[in-house]
Amino acid sequence: AQRVTQPEKLLSVFKGAPVELKCNYSYSGSPELFWYVQYSRQRLQLLLRHISRESIKGFTADLNKGETSFHLKKPFAQEEDSAMYYCALSGDSNYQLIWGAGTKLIIKP
Amino acid sequence: DTGVSQNPRHKITKRGQNVTFRCDPISEHNRLYWYRQTLGQGPEFLTYFQNEAQLEKSRLLSDRFSAERPKGSFSTLEIQRTEQGDSAMYLCASSAGVLEQYFGPGTRLTVT
Repeated sequence: AQRVTQPEKLLSVFKGAPVELKCNYSYSGSPELFWYVQYSRQRLQLLLRHISRESIKGFTADLNKGETSFHLKKPFAQEEDSAMYYCALSGDSNYQLIWGAGTKLIIKP
Repeated sequence: DTGVSQNPRHKITKRGQNVTFRCDPISEHNRLYWYRQTLGQGPEFLTYFQNEAQLEKSRLLSDRFSAERPKGSFSTLEIQRTEQGDSAMYLCASSAGVLEQYFGPGTRLTVT
């Protein structure tokens, strides 16, 4: 079954500390993985996708097919990073996104 | 604002009533998606349109749910005989081909 698991519902770190938001997936084919972010009172927006290999707002994520993971990392957290983060998977259908339950990231000053 | 818009933003209805939501996608986007999100969960896929054709429906979409995109532009999602379990945030997204999905602000439905 296709599944995305984000094991942490809440992650709280201090400003300037490294951040890692975990995402594991279950998919038999070659998935495309995404991280979406939702800031307070704003709509969901794409943060990054593995295929583009970009670094957005200092965040990076590497697809590890052996461990079926796509963890989101940032070396130095900033207060404006506080938000809900969702990991999502797109499979062969190329239209349906399968989502994790999300991790709420709180950056403490 | 040229992003995806959804109306209404909030809807409170009594159990058994019918409700209809509207989504206006980004104008050049040919794909449109509906998702449902309940508290503490990520969005769940409901249905997908390519232009005016509804190409996929989730098993989550019971017979009480119907979606249309009559001219390949805006879309409506109707829920008939609402139940308390239908209370959720209903999200619409659009995309150009298989690229990034752009989300609307959502319609929050409360069934009392």
